[in-house]
Amino acid sequence: EVQLVESGGGLVQPGRSLRLSCTASGFTFGDYAMSWVRQAPGKGLEWVGFIRSKAYGGTTEYAASVKGRFTISRDDSKSIAYLQMNSLKTEDTAVYYCTSHGDYVFDYWGQGTLVTVSS
Amino acid sequence: QSALTQPRSVSGSPGQSVTISCTGTSSDVGGYNYVSWYQQHPGKAPKLMIYDVSKRPSGVPDRFSGSKSGNTASLTISGLQAEDEADYYCCSYAGSYVFGTGTKVTVL
Repeated sequence: EVQLVESGGGLVQPGRSLRLSCTASGFTFGDYAMSWVRQAPGKGLEWVGFIRSKAYGGTTEYAASVKGRFTISRDDSKSIAYLQMNSLKTEDTAVYYCTSHGDYVFDYWGQGTLVTVSS
Repeated sequence: QSALTQPRSVSGSPGQSVTISCTGTSSDVGGYNYVSWYQQHPGKAPKLMIYDVSKRPSGVPDRFSGSKSGNTASLTISGLQAEDEADYYCCSYAGSYVFGTGTKVTVL
């Protein structure tokens, strides 16, 4: 059974940093791209970015709203994907979901972790 | 990239059919056959229901179907059931990924 478990969310002040983790099980993690999608309270879904598998260079793509501030990385030996968030803004407040990323589709989703950016 | 346009809400009685539209542009929905649909119950994570416009992952009931015409994709739920009451989001590849504004489906 595929499982994705996010962790690392919490309350953080504007301008500070936070790193989220996504621990995967139930599939060959290294063979898959991984994405992060967020949802502000009471709002819709917003794609944040993804990281390709090492077979495709392990390169990353980001939404314009987070480019230059957020960085996605992966540790295939531990089956973990990370989302490093720097220079956080109040508008980054959201539930952050980790997803496995098939061919142009978000296959499986974690339960999400809440990030609140507030002073 | 602007969000894809979905109706805010649709409703139907048990057993009826409802259709949710998802309107984009030739740069997203109209330009690629990579439209997917996600179901989200309150307080839960989204779940993949349709991918590549009309394909269903294993385990998704065949009551759910997808289609596309021009810049508009659609999700149809036939034989509506109480457990189908949820929010639904479309998503299209567009060089990056853009989601729809979301539609609340109410079962009367």
